[in-house]
Amino acid sequence: DAGITQSPRYKITETGRQVTLMCHQTWSHSYMFWYRQDLGHGLRLIYYSAAADITDKGEVPDGYVVSRSKTENFPLTLESATRSQTSVYFCASKAAGQGQIDEQYFGPGTRLTVT
Amino acid sequence: LAKTTQPISMDSYEGQEVNITCSHNNIATNDYITWYQQFPSQGPRFIIQGYKTKVTNEVASLFIPADRKSSTLSLPRVSLSDTAVYYCLVGPSREYGNKLVFGAGTILRVKS
Repeated sequence: DAGITQSPRYKITETGRQVTLMCHQTWSHSYMFWYRQDLGHGLRLIYYSAAADITDKGEVPDGYVVSRSKTENFPLTLESATRSQTSVYFCASKAAGQGQIDEQYFGPGTRLTVT
Repeated sequence: LAKTTQPISMDSYEGQEVNITCSHNNIATNDYITWYQQFPSQGPRFIIQGYKTKVTNEVASLFIPADRKSSTLSLPRVSLSDTAVYYCLVGPSREYGNKLVFGAGTILRVKS
């Protein structure tokens, strides 16, 4: 199916474990983003990528690692999960410089609980 | 980064027009104004974007005064399904998007 997908949709893990959240988009968008959203808060940018093999930190990158070997995939890894990383994680993508509109397309989210 | 201020919540009734105002006093020359909508348990969805004056699409209108220090999202004849959180974002449209900051947003509750 076309679009942007995230897996898993729900994940429970223990403190100290490594966990990887997957994001896949079928539009060949250049840009991809990872956000986290905590109860009662807006979205905060974790990492973003302008193209394959180009990544950069966002607002809250500590404790996270990303890679982008292929344009369509942008996995987010929590190297050693902590309870403070319990959150809903959203992946997004956007095309590069198309006209006046700068629209990000968001995935359905992954709800991560760290116990 | 341009900071935005918007009401925490708003209530409306079905069929009414809803106007949500966002303040962004330190908006930069190359910043665009973008609004997103988010339903519970879903990712945000783009609504509209503008630079100045008025922009209209099939969903909403965006009014931006000449000084660009504020903007108003107008939703015509809302329905119960418009109940959501609405985010106002200000940032340069042509860059990575890292400068887009989602604040707490405005919770819009539409009642019957």
